[in-house]
Amino acid sequence: AQKITQTQPGMFVQEKEAVTLDCTYDTSDPSYGLFWYKQPSSGEMIFLIYQGSYDQQNATEGRYSLNFQKARKSANLVISASQLGDSAMYFCAMRGINQAGTALIFGKGTTLSVSS
Amino acid sequence: GAVVSQHPSWVICKSGTSVKIECRSLDFQATTMFWYRQFPKQSLMLMATSNEGSKATYEQGVEKDKFLINHASLTLSTLTVTSAHPEDSSFYICSATIHGTSGNTIYFGEGSWLTVV
Repeated sequence: AQKITQTQPGMFVQEKEAVTLDCTYDTSDPSYGLFWYKQPSSGEMIFLIYQGSYDQQNATEGRYSLNFQKARKSANLVISASQLGDSAMYFCAMRGINQAGTALIFGKGTTLSVSS
Repeated sequence: GAVVSQHPSWVICKSGTSVKIECRSLDFQATTMFWYRQFPKQSLMLMATSNEGSKATYEQGVEKDKFLINHASLTLSTLTVTSAHPEDSSFYICSATIHGTSGNTIYFGEGSWLTVV
């Protein structure tokens, strides 16, 4: 069984500062993918970044980077230079790579509040 | 990127009536679609997985007779909430993937807010 743990219900950061959102996972799959999504109050799920378990380098997408530590089973999201528009709920998720058609399993989420 | 369209975005229905939510893949063939339910400030909970042309696989605790899922074509899956009650009020969101693919190949609809009065 797969499990995603996000231990920070809420995080607060000031504009232009960096923030790290924590995510740990557990799985018995040898190959898996880790995802981060942003969900604003409108409800849509906005894909941010993806990391495959066999990727050698940490994924980066603009201001987003994923600090992947496989031995610790952690996949923390780092947002650099926070903006007011970053205020939203953030979900870490995973799926098995070798299981065709498998769903994403989500953590409980972290609400990020960015202040000016 | 791939686009998944969900309709309606908002729906209000009376207790006891049924409501249908559609999930369409607009520019790819989605052999597998997933339906999630989300309560305010909570996580997305997987309700069921549907494969085109076959019966949906429901997660434990999800009433299959209440939440009818049909995946009749490679571009359309529907979720029907039958005999809706106020406790069914929630945010429902679908996602779609192409069977046999892995990695970052899951695409979400915009979600549907259901209010039962």
